[in-house]
Amino acid sequence: ETAVFQTPNYHVTQVGNEVSFNCKQTLGHDTMYWYKQDSKKLLKIMFSYNNKQLIVNETVPRRFSPQSSDKAHLNLRIKSVEPEDSAVYLCASSYWGGAGQLYFGEGSKLTVL
Amino acid sequence: TQTVSQSDAHVTVFEGDSVELRCNYSYGGSIYLSWYIQHHGHGLQFLLKYYSGNPVVQGVNGFEAEFSKSDSSFHLRKASVHWSDSAVYFCAVSDTGANTGKLTFGHGTILRVHP
Repeated sequence: ETAVFQTPNYHVTQVGNEVSFNCKQTLGHDTMYWYKQDSKKLLKIMFSYNNKQLIVNETVPRRFSPQSSDKAHLNLRIKSVEPEDSAVYLCASSYWGGAGQLYFGEGSKLTVL
Repeated sequence: TQTVSQSDAHVTVFEGDSVELRCNYSYGGSIYLSWYIQHHGHGLQFLLKYYSGNPVVQGVNGFEAEFSKSDSSFHLRKASVHWSDSAVYFCAVSDTGANTGKLTFGHGTILRVHP
């Protein structure tokens, strides 16, 4: 049963446009994450937030910015998309110190033309 | 630096066969090891994890994994697969410090189960 909700599930846009992905979790967790999955299925963490505080900010281009209004929401904005941003963006949540056990959403697939 | 190696990119079996998906890791400290499954077009689902204690851990849907410190391995097994087990399987490690949600994933193993 899905408890991490992502919107939109698909988005096609052109180079230079702005895109936002939204994520909401109903599990009562206090930590949320964005992972990027590329076309070869490789997964890498981008950001993590604990109680609205940025905890992890991996080396991602400055055009990516996470936004958290409360511990149940974590959005991702891409200011000016590039072709290499085409990927699936996966939102996840856990309790702080989740011990390697994350709950993922269904993903938001971005295609940049 | 943590690294995770899944040596088999593809594994193909028939329904009812047993299967083992291999995972080796490299890390100097204390870690959590976990397995996730991803069906086509969906997100990842947690299967099981290991931190300490009994090296054989049971997960959902009949999956189990065995930790071996000497081999730096955490292989996933299932005694009798079903066609619905066809998916991509990811092994992951995270350290036991505060940020245990920062997972390092292997490249994944595509499991195909023929009916």
